[in-house]
Amino acid sequence: QVQLVQSGAEVKKPGASVKVSCKASGNTFTSYYIHWVRQAPGQGLEWMGIINPSVGNTNYTQKFQDRVTMTRDTSTTTVYMELSSLRSEDTAVYYCARGGRKGLQRVYYYGMDVWGQGTTVTVSS
Amino acid sequence: EIVLTQSPATLSLSPGERATLSCRASQSVSSYLAWYQQKLGQAPRLLIYDASNRATGIPARFSGSGSGTDFTLTISSLEPEDFAVYYCQQRSSWPLLTFGGGTKVEIK
Repeated sequence: QVQLVQSGAEVKKPGASVKVSCKASGNTFTSYYIHWVRQAPGQGLEWMGIINPSVGNTNYTQKFQDRVTMTRDTSTTTVYMELSSLRSEDTAVYYCARGGRKGLQRVYYYGMDVWGQGTTVTVSS
Repeated sequence: EIVLTQSPATLSLSPGERATLSCRASQSVSSYLAWYQQKLGQAPRLLIYDASNRATGIPARFSGSGSGTDFTLTISSLEPEDFAVYYCQQRSSWPLLTFGGGTKVEIK
């Protein structure tokens, strides 16, 4: 059964960067897209971007376009999300989630069906 | 960007009652809409994908309907474990996705 296990909580100062990892178990790492979603305290879910672990290409929502970088390491079946120039508003729980499988001619998407446990990032001086 | 608006923000109901949650898209998303449930301190859980398909293991009391811009999640008879926050999410603009703001279903 596929699991996504995320790295532990982080405390960062404003202006710093944070890198959160998401390790996938099982042998389907390169078959499914991985999304990053964040949730500020008491707020809703916010989709940040997506990475295709097979080839490493990414797409980010415009809000984070210039501050977020998503990468992957196929040898360790791990996806990373790095957010730079942190500010207090970036304090949130960050989730990785599996969603969508690339077929020969289209993407097969059946929702984000596997989620990591979440990583709390606190930005405070 | 496709904006999803959920209503109401809060729904106060008793166990056994029927819950009807709405999600409206700023432009047509065809049937490319999913629903998630989130309980306090937990990651979201997929309920419905492509508007009306229940995910694996989801009880039959959860159902989804709609297409285009208007969607509904219905819980036919609320169980105590159903009191939570529910989010809709569209994938019409793949690979760029968006979530709605959420509806909290609370015990009356």
